[in-house]
Amino acid sequence: NAGVTQTPKFQVLKTGQSMTLQCAQDMNHNSMYWYRQDPGMGLRLIYYSASEGTTDKGEVPNGYNVSRLNKREFSLRLESAAPSQTSVYFCASSGDRDRSPYEQYFGPGTRLTVT
Amino acid sequence: TQLLEQSPQFLSIQEGENLTVYCNSSSVFSSLQWYRQEPGEGPVLLVTVVTGGEVKKLKRLTFQFGDARKDSSLHITAAQPGDTGLYLCAGEGAGSYQLTFGKGTKLSVIP
Repeated sequence: NAGVTQTPKFQVLKTGQSMTLQCAQDMNHNSMYWYRQDPGMGLRLIYYSASEGTTDKGEVPNGYNVSRLNKREFSLRLESAAPSQTSVYFCASSGDRDRSPYEQYFGPGTRLTVT
Repeated sequence: TQLLEQSPQFLSIQEGENLTVYCNSSSVFSSLQWYRQEPGEGPVLLVTVVTGGEVKKLKRLTFQFGDARKDSSLHITAAQPGDTGLYLCAGEGAGSYQLTFGKGTKLSVIP
């Protein structure tokens, strides 16, 4: 069972370049999330999708866009990369919000460096 | 805004020692989750505690949820090098799609 998968695992971009980070889950989860993790800052939510067809901003959405392509896939796009976006990016998914506890399951991460 | 404070931020101990990590908030959570993250990997869910006062054991790890559901602790008995990693706590707010994460405790167990 693959769980949450992310591609690519590593990426180096030059300032101003664009790229899309891909995420897919095979757990039939309704909700999906994008986080960034920086030293001393913890995990910060960029965007999330509560269900297919909806997306909402998190704590740090500026400079990013997302697409919930279908129930399985949730992509994160950097239109014009900046050095401040150098980080490790994690995708996560959760099941039915009507049920508690509400747990998130994470992918292995994408390490992005912007020079 | 809900906040979760984790302490200590860093912990370096010898193999065989015991340790406790704390996760505190002024907010009430419906549940609290603990994750372990190893270098180069994503966080992996260890346990979820739901009921105030609940204690869960996972081999040498003991997790406790405070009576008022505002705090939690993780106790490791006889730490081993394989316990090395970043331990994160995360709180579930009632009806919220978002989890509140602490900044983590980085544990190093020296052989």
